[in-house]
Amino acid sequence: GEDVEQSLFLSVREGDSSVINCTYTDSSSTYLYWYKQEPGAGLQLLTYIFSNMDMKQDQRLTVLLNKKDKHLSLRIADTQTGDSAIYFCAERASGNTPLVFGKGTRLSVIA
Amino acid sequence: KAGVTQTPRYLIKTRGQQVTLSCSPISGHRSVSWYQQTPGQGLQFLFEYFSETQRNKGNFPGRFSGRQFSNSRSEMNVSTLELGDSALYLCASSLAGPQNEQFFGPGTRLTVL
Repeated sequence: GEDVEQSLFLSVREGDSSVINCTYTDSSSTYLYWYKQEPGAGLQLLTYIFSNMDMKQDQRLTVLLNKKDKHLSLRIADTQTGDSAIYFCAERASGNTPLVFGKGTRLSVIA
Repeated sequence: KAGVTQTPRYLIKTRGQQVTLSCSPISGHRSVSWYQQTPGQGLQFLFEYFSETQRNKGNFPGRFSGRQFSNSRSEMNVSTLELGDSALYLCASSLAGPQNEQFFGPGTRLTVL
């Protein structure tokens, strides 16, 4: 079945860039997402990218997609302490198929 | 507009009991999805309801069930609770399904003793 893999932890200094990586196995993945979860809260959609795109930029966030290698990354520029959270990569095929999530990357930002 | 609400926020049960969790979607949203989040397995899809019908189901035993009412509110039920059912249960609503943005509630933290 589908699988989404992420590294579990990432630590960066405030002001640096963070890069969170994700790989997926389902070649029919059409939509790829990044969610953020803060302590005690549900998931918040940060950004998404369609499989026919290579890159998407939204303010401090840049998503890169390498469809050949099934690799997705999220770059956060000028990382702030408020960016400390768990970041989930998710994918889904077309239609009404449900999201498949990775296990999340815990980002710690050191002041 | 009000977000997705889940009740209760915290719940403690003992093995063998059953539990019902509730989710009220954003007004106008007709699709409700449920997920189980655990440290070991991450986020796993339980089921999705749309217009009172279960449209998708994840790989969970029959002890996990759900339903959706005509006002789109949804409940999930877990019978014969096991220790391994301890988790954060998240509900997400969207206009018509996963193809639309899903808005997540804060979750219900279930602890089974």
